[in-house]
Amino acid sequence: EAGVAQSPRYKIIEKRQSVAFWCNPISGHATLYWYQQILGQGPKLLIQFQNNGVVDDSQLPKDRFSAERLKGVDSTLKIQPAKLEDSAVYLCASSLDKASGTDTQYFGPGTRLTVL
Amino acid sequence: GQQVMQIPQYQHVQEGEDFTTYCNSSTTLSNIQWYKQRPGGHPVFLIQLVKSGEVKKQKRLTFQFGEAKKNSSLHITATQTTDVGTYFCAGQGAGSYQLTFGKGTKLSVIP
Repeated sequence: EAGVAQSPRYKIIEKRQSVAFWCNPISGHATLYWYQQILGQGPKLLIQFQNNGVVDDSQLPKDRFSAERLKGVDSTLKIQPAKLEDSAVYLCASSLDKASGTDTQYFGPGTRLTVL
Repeated sequence: GQQVMQIPQYQHVQEGEDFTTYCNSSTTLSNIQWYKQRPGGHPVFLIQLVKSGEVKKQKRLTFQFGEAKKNSSLHITATQTTDVGTYFCAGQGAGSYQLTFGKGTKLSVIP
């Protein structure tokens, strides 16, 4: 079974530029999560989708971050414009079904973003 | 909002010694999950605890969930070099969809 795919793996941009990350969850997984992991910290949930609907985006900085999952499969996370403090690893995870979050989450390899 | 504290932040042990990391939540949890992240890798699910006072074992790893469902621990017996990594607990509050991760405990094992 293929795991969660993410691209790109690394991205370096200058502040005020925009960037987009892509995630393809495990086939059949209804729930998709985007996390931000700053160096030395645990992952922080940015947004959670159940199919193509948003379940939780309370910690998403909506003035600069946006995410979509139009067909309930792939998802993109965008930052526009980027700030220095956005430097982090952006992790995508998926789980089989439950929006409740009690289902096992499978993480992708992440995208390491460096903002200069 | 919900906070999950984890201690210690770092732990260096000699191979063969035991290791324990502790997790404490500011609110009562519906469940707690444990993940392991190898250096340069992504978090990998280890286990989920749901019941008050629950104890689960996976080979040399023992996981406990407190009676009040606010704290948890992970104990590794006789550490091996393959145990190296950062161990995260992640708690879900009652009635919440969100999983809140602790800052993790980074384990180093000296051969």
